[in-house]
Amino acid sequence: AQKITQTQPGMFVQEKEAVTLDCTYDTSDQSYGLFWYKQPSSGEMIFLIYQGSYDEQNATEGRYSLNFQKARKSANLVISASQLGDSAMYFCAMREPPGGGSTLGRLYFGRGTQLTVWP
Amino acid sequence: DTAVSQTPKYLVTQMGNDKSIKCEQNLGHDTMYWYKQDSKKFLKIMFSYNNKELIINETVPNRFSPKSPDKAHLNLHINSLELGDSAVYFCASSQVFRGRGPQETQYFGPGTRLLVL
Repeated sequence: AQKITQTQPGMFVQEKEAVTLDCTYDTSDQSYGLFWYKQPSSGEMIFLIYQGSYDEQNATEGRYSLNFQKARKSANLVISASQLGDSAMYFCAMREPPGGGSTLGRLYFGRGTQLTVWP
Repeated sequence: DTAVSQTPKYLVTQMGNDKSIKCEQNLGHDTMYWYKQDSKKFLKIMFSYNNKELIINETVPNRFSPKSPDKAHLNLHINSLELGDSAVYFCASSQVFRGRGPQETQYFGPGTRLLVL
């Protein structure tokens, strides 16, 4: 089974509107971390936001917020007031806790959602 | 001011050649990674290093050999390049903080676009 599922290959939103990018994850661990990254057409990967599984409040960074619903195992990214520069590929990722004697847990990425913001 | 840097940015080479990509981070992070992103944008982690020690090798062919001379550097050497190695290779670094649960920040380099002809 996939560890990270992003069901929307593409999303379109009008400038200034809010958009939600879906992400569900699969883990039986209680301690894990969730990330969102942005990859514009120029190719660089930009870290946007992080949510720890024990964080009771949803993470927010400027116009980005992570809608964390632990029971549903979802970590959707909400972008408020979309801008043309938000057009990019967005990746959701999960870090599991260390296991098997490792000091670092495995990291899994989803296949991404291509967001297009139109004027 | 660059946090994670990689060289070269572009690499075009013939099948069978050996090539290296270098990565440096000035963030003081303990952990560094190599990722491969294919033409369909699928991002796959290859190696994870923590304090110069290999932590995770994600079943990458042994033609790929990472090397970490110190905590701030992680290089990737590829032997006998194949057509399927054409991809974008990203270096990244992260710092994991242990509180009630893990807290982490992870930053990527600009990527190296490798094309094998």
